[in-house]
Amino acid sequence: AQKVTQAQTEISVVEKEDVTLDCVYETRDTTYYLFWYKQPPSGELVFLIRRNSFDEQNEISGRYSWNFQKSTSSFNFTITASQVVDSAVYFCALSIASGGSYIPTFGRGTSLIVHP
Amino acid sequence: DTAVSQTPKYLVTQMGNDKSIKCEQNLGHDTMYWYKQDSKKFLKIMFSYNNKELIINETVPNRFSPKSPDKAHLNLHINSLELGDSAVYFCASSQTRPPADGYTFGSGTRLTVV
Repeated sequence: AQKVTQAQTEISVVEKEDVTLDCVYETRDTTYYLFWYKQPPSGELVFLIRRNSFDEQNEISGRYSWNFQKSTSSFNFTITASQVVDSAVYFCALSIASGGSYIPTFGRGTSLIVHP
Repeated sequence: DTAVSQTPKYLVTQMGNDKSIKCEQNLGHDTMYWYKQDSKKFLKIMFSYNNKELIINETVPNRFSPKSPDKAHLNLHINSLELGDSAVYFCASSQTRPPADGYTFGSGTRLTVV
């Protein structure tokens, strides 16, 4: 069975603060894929990043960075110098092979509120 | 061009009715999914389907059924709607192989059962 835990239900910050969203996953598979999605108030789900289990390199994309640590089964997401437009619900997801399909399991999401 | 499109965007209906939500993807993906997002934002997989296999989440009532006329479409039929079915339903698609580009979601259908 696979599981994703996002322990932070809601985070509130003031603009320009850095914020880290935590994601802890559980799986017995050695090959798996991790994702982050953003759901702004408009409701759509926007893909941010994919990381596979055999690539532990961290990644930076503009103000966004991701820290993948297999030793702690974590895939945390940091937003540097947060902006009001970053306000959204952020989902971490885990995908493993099931037959021929890869069905993602989502965490319960972290609601990020960035105040001006 | 919309990659994954769902219709309708909003659906209000009475208890006991039967309704369908349509989903189409133009990405050439092999696999399509239906997710239910409840009022607390929890995303729960309902179905996963490709041309070989339908995987059903065992917790989904059999009032819900996916119908796929072809690889680019996966419609969701719901019979005898109940108040608890009110939610946002998302269609998604991906390549069957490890999804390098992640899962592409439609914009969602907000279903309200009154």
